[in-house]
Amino acid sequence: AQTVTQSQPEMSVQEAETVTLSCTYDTSENNYYLFWYKQPPSRQMILVIRQEAYKQQNATENRFSVNFQKAAKSFSLKISDSQLGDTAMYFCASPAGIYKYIFGTGTRLKVLA
Amino acid sequence: DAGVTQSPTHLIKTRGQHVTLRCSPISGHKSVSWYQQVLGQGPQFIFQYYEKEERGRGNFPDRFSARQFPNYSSELNVNALLLGDSALYLCASSLGIAGYPNEQFFGPGTRLTVL
Repeated sequence: AQTVTQSQPEMSVQEAETVTLSCTYDTSENNYYLFWYKQPPSRQMILVIRQEAYKQQNATENRFSVNFQKAAKSFSLKISDSQLGDTAMYFCASPAGIYKYIFGTGTRLKVLA
Repeated sequence: DAGVTQSPTHLIKTRGQHVTLRCSPISGHKSVSWYQQVLGQGPQFIFQYYEKEERGRGNFPDRFSARQFPNYSSELNVNALLLGDSALYLCASSLGIAGYPNEQFFGPGTRLTVL
């Protein structure tokens, strides 16, 4: 069965510091995207960053970057210079067949002032 | 451009009732997917519709059904509601079938509470 595992239910980080959220996945697809989504208390699911599996270069979006290890099926999210507004649930998502994505159970990140 | 919209925002129903949730995709998007997110968990895939046809279905009972209209908006229907159906229901739209190279954009969700 295709799975997505986020092994850190909760994490906290001091404002301005760096934190890494881990995710491992299992998919049988050849070409695919991997995603990190942020879900603040407002519950809107917001795309943080995506990685194309065939690209070896790790994706970067401002303070957010990924460490993509395709062979190990690992896809971690690094948040640099953490801000209070980064406090949210973070979900990793990978494809499970053509028509759907599966999500991990999430990591609750709290940024401390 | 407007993002994905969902209605209603909140809904309270009692066990055994029926509910209809609505979703309007981003303009130009032809695919709509539905997800159920139980409190404290990640979203679980329910359905994907593309060009008004069901293209994928998750592991949900037949009480769950959906359809997509000619304008690509979609309804999710749940019959004979159970307490366990209480969840946030998310709609996501994409240009084509959700999957590489099409990414999904999520709506704000409908919070369903079953009493």
